[in-house]
Amino acid sequence: KAGVTQTPRYLIKTRGQQVTLSCSPISGHRSVSWYQQTPGQGLQFLFEYFSETQRNKGNFPGRFSGRQFSNSRSEMNVSTLELGDSALYLCASSSGLAPNEQFFGPGTRLTVL
Amino acid sequence: AQSVTQPDIHITVSEGASLELRCNYSYGATPYLFWYVQSPGQGLQLLLKYFSGDTLVQGIKGFEAEFKRSQSSFNLRKPSVHWSDAAEYFCAVGGSPSNDYKLSFGAGTTVTVRA
Repeated sequence: KAGVTQTPRYLIKTRGQQVTLSCSPISGHRSVSWYQQTPGQGLQFLFEYFSETQRNKGNFPGRFSGRQFSNSRSEMNVSTLELGDSALYLCASSSGLAPNEQFFGPGTRLTVL
Repeated sequence: AQSVTQPDIHITVSEGASLELRCNYSYGATPYLFWYVQSPGQGLQLLLKYFSGDTLVQGIKGFEAEFKRSQSSFNLRKPSVHWSDAAEYFCAVGGSPSNDYKLSFGAGTTVTVRA
């Protein structure tokens, strides 16, 4: 089985711009979760999509949004980028059912200048 | 609410020595528990998991973990550490319907291996 893929792997943007990150889950998986990882804050949960619906949401501002398509692929969008948005963004793929074991992609490294 | 505490932020261990990483969880029912490992700049890789049954679980790369309900712990162990085990390790709990299938992660423990 192919693993979780994330594109792009690296991204450099400037403040005020917006960015879209993509995640393709493992075939057959219906859930995609997104996480932000920074040295200061660690691993923080952004949101989870299950069968095209947002099922869980973390404590992030509305600038962070996502969606999931009918083929389970997911995109995450960050608008009006701030310097503090520089991070490794990880997506995780799972069945969406208990025990919801998550499989992570390699991440997208976003740098905001 | 579910939560995970990893008391050790950083551990240094000599190559060939044993390693134990601590994980304490808070959860209302029988938990699903996971250990993940992350090499620098990479995603998280699942090391092992506990769902039910035998409380001692074996994982990849020679790791094992023991679930102790009385102590709300799920500590990770390796008898003999290799230099390639230097990484960050995360404990996680959750994944059940009672908490909307969400996983909660600990803050992580960074392991340094000295020659």
